[in-house]
Amino acid sequence: GAGVSQSPSNKVTEKGKDVELRCDPISGHTALYWYRQSLGQGLEFLIYFQGNSAPDKSGLPSDRFSAERTGGSVSTLTIQRTQQEDSAVYLCASSLVHSSSYEQYFGPGTRLTVT
Amino acid sequence: ELKVEQNPLFLSMQEGKNYTIYCNYSTTSDRLYWYRQDPGKSLESLFVLLSNGAVKQEGRLMASLDTKARLSTLHITAAVHDLSATYFCAVAYNQFYFGTGTSLTVIP
Repeated sequence: GAGVSQSPSNKVTEKGKDVELRCDPISGHTALYWYRQSLGQGLEFLIYFQGNSAPDKSGLPSDRFSAERTGGSVSTLTIQRTQQEDSAVYLCASSLVHSSSYEQYFGPGTRLTVT
Repeated sequence: ELKVEQNPLFLSMQEGKNYTIYCNYSTTSDRLYWYRQDPGKSLESLFVLLSNGAVKQEGRLMASLDTKARLSTLHITAAVHDLSATYFCAVAYNQFYFGTGTSLTVIP
């Protein structure tokens, strides 16, 4: 079956613009995760969804970042008034349920460049 | 906050040599994952270690878990160029906490 997909694969935007990143999880996976990976760094947890709910938003770097998930499927990560420090690869992952017992499967990522 | 430390951060080794990557973490967890990331690509799952003393092997890679020491190792045997990548460990504790990664370069 299809894996996790993300779009766009690359996004170049000007500082101050808003961007939307999309994640389509594996069908049937109820948990969805967003991570940020800056150049040469590890993964920084941003937010997760169980169904359409986001119980833990503590990883979002600022109030310019928001995310939503509809229909228990597709999720959108929105960054408002982008800054250069937002440049990174944004990775989405999904798992069957939100539990440490279940492996996370990663999408190919969206490379965001803010100029 | 749970901390996950990997070392070394960078590893350059010759083909045919053996080496070990270490993953230390700061709180109790009995589930640990190893991932591989090729340049410009996403993360690919390598191993899931579920309990103390777990050992898993796939080809030239072997991973182990010591929950008492809060330590996992990824051992590379007789390295080949195709193993060049960045390797991440991730500790599962409510959420996944990732290490900083080890960038491995195998030199022919």
